[in-house]
Amino acid sequence: AQSVSQHNHHVILSEAASLELGCNYSYGGTVNLFWYVQYPGQHLQLLLKYFSGDPLVKGIKGFEAEFIKSKFSFNLRKPSVQWSDTAEYFCAVGVSGTYKYIFGTGTRLKVLA
Amino acid sequence: GAGVSQSPSNKVTEKGKDVELRCDPISGHTALYWYRQRLGQGLEFLIYFQGNSAPDKSGLPSDRFSAERTGESVSTLTIQRTQQEDSAVYLCASSLLGQGVQPQHFGDGTRLSIL
Repeated sequence: AQSVSQHNHHVILSEAASLELGCNYSYGGTVNLFWYVQYPGQHLQLLLKYFSGDPLVKGIKGFEAEFIKSKFSFNLRKPSVQWSDTAEYFCAVGVSGTYKYIFGTGTRLKVLA
Repeated sequence: GAGVSQSPSNKVTEKGKDVELRCDPISGHTALYWYRQRLGQGLEFLIYFQGNSAPDKSGLPSDRFSAERTGESVSTLTIQRTQQEDSAVYLCASSLLGQGVQPQHFGDGTRLSIL
């Protein structure tokens, strides 16, 4: 069955620390990859997306993610986190040609000031 | 412009009652999704609408759940004879097309609590 795994459920970092959140998916076909973020009290919003081309994609607020096809991974990174990055982060896979989007269970990030 | 709007934002009801949740998608978005998010869990797909039709209802947890969409706009998710395990946040999302490529735009969700 298609699935998306996010390895870290809770992450606590100090400001200026580097961040990497893992995301692996299981699907052999063509996929489109997304990271969504949910800040406290707000709705889910798109952080970045990968459809094709350069496997390193940049999103808003200094986030980037790298698609490694051989590893079925799409890890999210940020070199230096800020307190305002405290949020829940969801990795999602869109199966091309279908309506299906599969979400991971989310990672709660807390950044200490 | 206006985003996806869901109502009510919170709903507390007694076990056994029926509830109706509403979603107003972004104008022009033909694809509409309902998800359920239980505490500490990811988004669970419930149903997808392409226009007014729902090609896949397999995600609905039981026959107590139903959904409809009219005018390629508003959608309602109805839960009959609610049970405590129905307590969750119900999220609606819309996108231009449902082809796995369009980013989804989410509403704020309805937090449903069954006493």
